Amino acid sequence: QVQLVESGGGVVQPGRSLRLSCAASGFTFSTYAMHWIRQAPGKGLEWVALMSYDGSTKYYADSVKGRFTISRDNSKNTLYLQMNSLRPEDTAVYYCVRVDSGISGYFDYWGQGTLVTVSS
Amino acid sequence: DIQMTQSPSSLSASVGDRVTITCQASQDISIYLNWYQQKPGRAPKLLICDASRLETGVPSRFSGSGSGTDFTFTINSLQPEDIATYYCQQYDSFSPVTFGGGTKVEIK
Repeated sequence: QVQLVESGGGVVQPGRSLRLSCAASGFTFSTYAMHWIRQAPGKGLEWVALMSYDGSTKYYADSVKGRFTISRDNSKNTLYLQMNSLRPEDTAVYYCVRVDSGISGYFDYWGQGTLVTVSS
Repeated sequence: DIQMTQSPSSLSASVGDRVTITCQASQDISIYLNWYQQKPGRAPKLLICDASRLETGVPSRFSGSGSGTDFTFTINSLQPEDIATYYCQQYDSFSPVTFGGGTKVEIK
């Protein structure tokens, strides 16, 4: 069965960095585009970044552009999100999400999420 | 970016009631509209894709309709297990993915 397991969240001070990982299993990871979507406490869903199946295409939300970097290692079935210059408003649960087909479409599998708290 | 206006933000209904949620896009998105259910402490779950296609395993009391800019999500005969927050999401090719603000559904 498809599984997406995020890790790497935690408490970090403003201005510091954190790297999230998402371990994928149960499907051919290298053939699917992947996204990061976040949800601030008590708030709605916000798309963060996407990467095509082969890593050739990346897009970012304006709110994280220049600070966050999405990457993947298809040999390790793992998606990453490098988060630099973190701000309090980046505090959220971060979900690793698979797109059913294409680069952007419907999100058919979600991880359980990992909480990132940016606070001094 | 395409803005998604979802309403109402919350509603309270009785078991067995019909519940309707609307989502309006700021520009034409054809049928590129999906609906998700999120229960407290859980990740969202895809219910409906491409405006009206029910995901496998989703109960038939859930349905979706619409195209262009106006979309509707309906729960026919609300059940206690349907208590959740529902989100619409658009995926127009030339614009970042965006979500509606969510609708919290409660039992009266």
